Amino acid sequence: SAVISQKPSRDICQRGTSLTIQCQVDSQVTMMFWYRQQPGQSLTLIATANQGSEATYESGFVIDKFPISRPNLTFSTLTVSNMSPEDSSIYLCSVQGPEAETQYFGPGTRLLVL
Amino acid sequence: DAKTTQPPSMDCAEGRAANLPCNHSTISGNEYVYWYRQIHSQGPQYIIHGLKNNETNEMASLIITEDRKSSTLILPHATLRDTAVYYCIVNGGTSYGKLTFGQGTILTVHP
Repeated sequence: SAVISQKPSRDICQRGTSLTIQCQVDSQVTMMFWYRQQPGQSLTLIATANQGSEATYESGFVIDKFPISRPNLTFSTLTVSNMSPEDSSIYLCSVQGPEAETQYFGPGTRLLVL
Repeated sequence: DAKTTQPPSMDCAEGRAANLPCNHSTISGNEYVYWYRQIHSQGPQYIIHGLKNNETNEMASLIITEDRKSSTLILPHATLRDTAVYYCIVNGGTSYGKLTFGQGTILTVHP
């Protein structure tokens, strides 16, 4: 399995500001994914981030609000821009495992926007 | 991806088998059935997956019906640490890798 770390683990931010979340994997992976889990809800896919190409966003998510970088095969960042209280969620990154059919998730970043 | 239906909650006694059902009647031929679980305040954890045949690993067994319209995740000897939300996900084809999480089943294991 892949070992995934995220920074920060949690943060409290003021509305109107931006936060960049980092995702680090202990091995090279092709596909990385970013999910959001709103309070009391299930996970929703934000975007797919492949190294060397633009991220692909799901319906309801746009690059201006959630810019993503994927500079190499072990690292990605998700920025939550111009935050509002509705952005308060857990943000999780995931990667495809060595067996391509599996995905492994990071511990998540807990964001509270005041 | 095909939609899945799971009971919202289930209880199980510690040491007994936990059998979690999932319906996926619109599953396509190239879609796998995946099970993940999310223990409180943690990221989802992969459990097992299968296409047609029954599968077993160190965590659980997956039983898929012959018509592939439903499946059952079996935790053979549930422990208190198995208390979690269990997600049944169907994925494959053009949406491969893009997991669609439903509300899952909250499994509570009692002493």
